[in-house]
Amino acid sequence: AAGVIQSPRHLIKEKRETATLKCYPIPRHDTVYWYQQGPGQDPQFLISFYEKMQSDKGSIPDRFSAQQFSDYHSELNMSSLELGDSALYFCASSLWARGSGNTIYFGEGSWLTVV
Amino acid sequence: AQSVTQLDSHVSVSEGTPVLLRCNYSSSYSPSLFWYVQHPNKGLQLLLKYTSAATLVKGINGFEAEFKKSETSFHLTKPSAHMSDAAEYFCVVSDLYKAAGNKLTFGGGTRVLVKP
Repeated sequence: AAGVIQSPRHLIKEKRETATLKCYPIPRHDTVYWYQQGPGQDPQFLISFYEKMQSDKGSIPDRFSAQQFSDYHSELNMSSLELGDSALYFCASSLWARGSGNTIYFGEGSWLTVV
Repeated sequence: AQSVTQLDSHVSVSEGTPVLLRCNYSSSYSPSLFWYVQHPNKGLQLLLKYTSAATLVKGINGFEAEFKKSETSFHLTKPSAHMSDAAEYFCVVSDLYKAAGNKLTFGGGTRVLVKP
């Protein structure tokens, strides 16, 4: 079965540079989520999109922005990178079904290292 | 508001013995509850999910969890641990009826060590 695809899998950037992470959800899924997992920490919710509109927002820095495109893929743009942005970034997707809840499937993650 | 507490940050078991990972939740709404597993340097894999049907939920790889509303718990068990079960496990809560895109709230994780 198709899974959530993230690219690139590994990325090294210098401080103050910009990085873009891409996420391709499971086919027919209408919701995309972004999570950040620092070393030894549990995943922290950044932002989510439903049908290409922002749905919920978590602890996403102002330096970060994201969007979901017409083909439902999503991109997370990170500017003015800081050392503390080094983390594993997960994208997840789900198909919304009221009353039965979301089953959210995660990608393998994109490792961002800021040096 | 919702929150999740995983009562053990580390659990060590011997191969072939039962595994119990404890999770308590707090939710203002009817919760969806999940267990995810994360192997080293890997993504999060869904083990099982509770919505509002059967309180005993069976998942993959022999895992199961029981939803107990009176105790606000959703403990994960497996009768016999395997070496491949060594990983980090996350208990997660979401709002069953809230709008699409509602975030998941993660517990702090439980790292499982399996001894031969």
